[in-house]
Amino acid sequence: NAGVTQTPKFQVLKTGQSMTLQCAQDMNHNSMYWYRQDPGMGLRLIYYSASEGTTDKGEVPNGYNVSRLNKREFSLRLESAAPSQTSVYFCASSEARTRTPNLREQYFGPGTRLTVT
Amino acid sequence: GNSVTQMEGPVTLSEEAFLTINCTYTATGYPSLFWYVQYPGEGLQLLLKATKADDKGSNKGFEATYRKETTSFHLEKGSVQVSDSAVYFCALRGSNFGNEKLTFGTGTRLTIIP
Repeated sequence: NAGVTQTPKFQVLKTGQSMTLQCAQDMNHNSMYWYRQDPGMGLRLIYYSASEGTTDKGEVPNGYNVSRLNKREFSLRLESAAPSQTSVYFCASSEARTRTPNLREQYFGPGTRLTVT
Repeated sequence: GNSVTQMEGPVTLSEEAFLTINCTYTATGYPSLFWYVQYPGEGLQLLLKATKADDKGSNKGFEATYRKETTSFHLEKGSVQVSDSAVYFCALRGSNFGNEKLTFGTGTRLTIIP
């Protein structure tokens, strides 16, 4: 049981380049999330997917697109990278379809450290 | 909207010292509250949680009590170890069913000196 996996671990891009961050989970969770972590800002939600086939904007969606490819996979795309997108990106998943709060925890991947020069 | 205010760091303590990291929140209804820990180079791990008022979450010697009257969820440990050095995040999840989004505090970096 790998939990939540992310690729790549590290990436350096030049301004204007594009790339896709990959995330997969093997816990059969319905909901998946993308966050970015910046110094002094905590984690901020970029996009989330409550279930397969649906996506919604979070707090900081500008400059990003997402695809919920299937129940397991949720990718984050930067079409034209900017230095302001230098950050650590975390993917998470949870089982939202239960009214039992204890079962709705979010599990996080190890992160992708992205630098845009 | 929901918000979490967390004690600013960094915090440096000697081994076996008592630890408190303050966390207060603003939210409607009855949110669930969490502490996550991030060890160097790793992702976030759930440390403890509380889902209703007066609940006490505990794990690995850490404790936090959900205080609705003071809207607080302070993290405490009686005797810290070098291995506790990490960044700690307080977070809340709204009380509405289907609202799974977490709101995080800014994080507190803790360093324990031998």
